[in-house]
Amino acid sequence: DQQVKQNSPSLSVQEGRISILNCDYTNSMFDYFLWYKKYPAEGPTFLISISSIKDKNEDGRFTVFLNKSAKHLSLHIVPSQPGDSAVYFCAAIRNDYKLSFGAGTTVTVRA
Amino acid sequence: DAMVIQNPRYQVTQFGKPVTLSCSQTLNHNVMYWYQQKSSQAPKLLFHYYDKDFNNEADTPDNFQSRRPNTSFCFLDIRSPGLGDAAMYLCATSREGQGFGQPQHFGDGTRLSIL
Repeated sequence: DQQVKQNSPSLSVQEGRISILNCDYTNSMFDYFLWYKKYPAEGPTFLISISSIKDKNEDGRFTVFLNKSAKHLSLHIVPSQPGDSAVYFCAAIRNDYKLSFGAGTTVTVRA
Repeated sequence: DAMVIQNPRYQVTQFGKPVTLSCSQTLNHNVMYWYQQKSSQAPKLLFHYYDKDFNNEADTPDNFQSRRPNTSFCFLDIRSPGLGDAAMYLCATSREGQGFGQPQHFGDGTRLSIL
């Protein structure tokens, strides 16, 4: 049963514009949410996280927003750069340390 | 640089022929994980070691086993690979006991093909 869902398999955005990636989850027991970035032929790398007690976390061009009542989080990338072209995975942790992943969104930043 | 290394990057084996994938880490993390990822799907946790304690996911086939001889190394053994086992296998590590939300660090994966 997929507890973390990324319903958009792909996103294309112009360089310099905002990329918004969405993620929905079903388990209200998740404590932490993370975003990972993956380039082809490489493993996922940690990008940014947010605790369930917060609604926003910002790190440079990357901001994650959490809406607990809607069980929804989003990742904003502003401004988008060509190097941001990758697959982005949303993931969540319950009160243990195991990650539940979404299926990923492929972002393509157009010059 | 501290990292997670998986060998080999690409592995081809025959249907039913046992295969072992390896993972090593220099991060000195106490938890090591193995994931299976098929095309356009979410990485699926197969099992993990918390220190020396092995934790199997309920839906991991019996065909898949793991060994962790020491902190740095972890192996994934597939006893009799079937065509459905062709996938990317990802190893990850994390340091637990430091509070929630510790990110996992991934290797670059081993792409397994079954002939």
